[in-house]
Amino acid sequence: QVQLQESGPGLVKPSETLSLTCNVSGDSVTSDGSYWTWIRQPPGEGLEWIGYIFYNRKTDYNPSLQSRVTISADASSNQFSLRLSSVTPADTAIYYCARDEVRHQLGFDNWGQGTLVTVSS
Amino acid sequence: DIQMTQSPSTLSASVGDRVTITCRASQTINKWLAWYQQKPGKAPKFLIYQASRLETGVPSRFSGSGSGTEFTLTITSLQPDDFATYYCQQYESSFRTFGQGTKVEI
Repeated sequence: QVQLQESGPGLVKPSETLSLTCNVSGDSVTSDGSYWTWIRQPPGEGLEWIGYIFYNRKTDYNPSLQSRVTISADASSNQFSLRLSSVTPADTAIYYCARDEVRHQLGFDNWGQGTLVTVSS
Repeated sequence: DIQMTQSPSTLSASVGDRVTITCRASQTINKWLAWYQQKPGKAPKFLIYQASRLETGVPSRFSGSGSGTEFTLTITSLQPDDFATYYCQQYESSFRTFGQGTKVEI
């Protein structure tokens, strides 16, 4: 059973960098069958794909966030991480990590519970 | 990027009703479409993949259809547990995109 769990600060000041980690169990971030993905959802709004990292360290990002986003992975701890720089209140959202199962072309078949990050001074 | 447009944005229904939600893509996505259900305060739940394949454990009253640019999610005999917001999502492009959501309310 695949499980994902986000962790990180719930409050970030404007202009600073948001950093979150997703712990993965039941699968491996070194698997070639999945894109390890971050998705966010501003309060009361819809879902926005942020980007992913693949086993070979290939990344792809939402063009609207590309200049500020970095996704990395740590095989030794089976975690992947999100960094979003120069945040503003518009970055306030619930941030989800998810598995994008690409071997069998499923979609986002497993999600973390989400973590609310508020950008405020 | 591929734009996904859902209709309606809100749908009022009663227990036992048959409900249909439409999702349109701005360009062809073949069958690479998934549907999710989200309840307040919860992460989205994976329901359907490849436009019409039901995830294990999802009740058979849920079904998906379509290909190319037009897709539907149908719930036959709506149950109390089905009142939620539903999202479609394309994975034809590596730039994944979601529809804006359809809220199914009483």
